[in-house]
Amino acid sequence: EAQVTQNPRYLITVTGKKLTVTCSQNMNHEYMSWYRQDPGLGLRQIYYSMNVEVTDKGDVPEGYKVSRKEKRNFPLILESPSPNQTSLYFCASSLSGVAKNIQYFGAGTRLSVL
Amino acid sequence: GDSVTQMEGPVTLSEEAFLTINCTYTATGYPSLFWYVQYPGEGLQLLLKATKADDKGSNKGFEATYRKETTSFHLEKGSVQVSDSAVYFCALNSGGSNYKLTFGKGTLLTVNP
Repeated sequence: EAQVTQNPRYLITVTGKKLTVTCSQNMNHEYMSWYRQDPGLGLRQIYYSMNVEVTDKGDVPEGYKVSRKEKRNFPLILESPSPNQTSLYFCASSLSGVAKNIQYFGAGTRLSVL
Repeated sequence: GDSVTQMEGPVTLSEEAFLTINCTYTATGYPSLFWYVQYPGEGLQLLLKATKADDKGSNKGFEATYRKETTSFHLEKGSVQVSDSAVYFCALNSGGSNYKLTFGKGTLLTVNP
């Protein structure tokens, strides 16, 4: 089954404690991206990757890092989480090349930073 | 920059009522337009899409027509069901180098039996 898998689904942590949210896709997609969803703001892009070893900032990259060492994985790293990073996070993937390509989303990771 | 404006919710309807969720956009060029749905506790699923002017996307009884003259992509369904209760997001992709989806803020729909 084609899917984007995020782990963990829920995470409660404390300020400053490094964490990683994993994202994996099994569709051989070149493009992967991270979004955060906040009430009243919709979804905003954090980082994206066009292919292995190619990453770039989205609209709200501050406080986040990513890596793309393998095509299927695109982890989101919070080196020193702060309460304003409490949010619902989604990973997405698609084929690259044209804007009409469908982006597939993971089920989301709900993060609370205390 | 690109932006999407959709009607604020929440929207509450009775089963079998007609649904319209308005969506308008601002974008450069010729964006692709999407409606995504988020059921409680789940991720976003593509509901329908349209990639050029006058295209009509449709799925599960939902429809939306790409209207370039009014920069709109309104979502409609003739007869909603309780199972349609969810958050609906209008989105666009203007084909920029990052393939970013620009989303509206979402509209919560509740359908009562």
